[in-house]
Amino acid sequence: RKEVEQDPGPFNVPEGATVAFNCTYSNSASQSFFWYRQDCRKEPKLLMSVYSSGNEDGRFTAQLNRASQYISLLIRDSKLSDSATYLCVVNQAGTALIFGKGTTLSVSS
Amino acid sequence: NAGVTQTPKFQVLKTGQSMTLQCAQDMNHNSMYWYRQDPGMGLRLIYYSASEGTTDKGEVPNGYNVSRLNKREFSLRLESAAPSQTSVYFCASSEVDGQGTYEQYFGPGTRLTVT
Repeated sequence: RKEVEQDPGPFNVPEGATVAFNCTYSNSASQSFFWYRQDCRKEPKLLMSVYSSGNEDGRFTAQLNRASQYISLLIRDSKLSDSATYLCVVNQAGTALIFGKGTTLSVSS
Repeated sequence: NAGVTQTPKFQVLKTGQSMTLQCAQDMNHNSMYWYRQDPGMGLRLIYYSASEGTTDKGEVPNGYNVSRLNKREFSLRLESAAPSQTSVYFCASSEVDGQGTYEQYFGPGTRLTVT
């Protein structure tokens, strides 16, 4: 089983749609969780950290379920500028981050 | 504040040639990383340096060497390039403490082609 698994997509949605991405991780000792965004031919950039209680940043909501080892990202009211690849990332304390392969989102007008 | 810088941005090598990819960060981070990214494979860790003076292998270290020259700089060397090393290489840095790794900041990448 891969350490971090994501549905690769692509997810093709119209502007204004709500879209959800899921991610599962295999190491129950993982402590830190993140969603990164990567635009085509660019470097990954942090979108948001994921906290146990769930957290929201504008149109983006991240949830963590430690019992199921599951992380989600919800994007509401999708914009054209949200088109990118979204990377699920986890790590254990003091070790390097483990990246999922990413889920591609394409938002169309 | 430049963040993480990488040189060169693009490079074409012939099989068997050697080269060094340079990376520097100005955020005073202790930890630095080298990744490669290939289509359909995601980001894979080559080597990392948890602190100045230490380096450790990641998932795909074969064919590479690294040097943590000082706190700012972390270089990646290909001694004898192979076509399988054609990839995009990203350097990153972060702080790490007992609670977990903080945000990793990435450089813009080096696009390497080995013919």
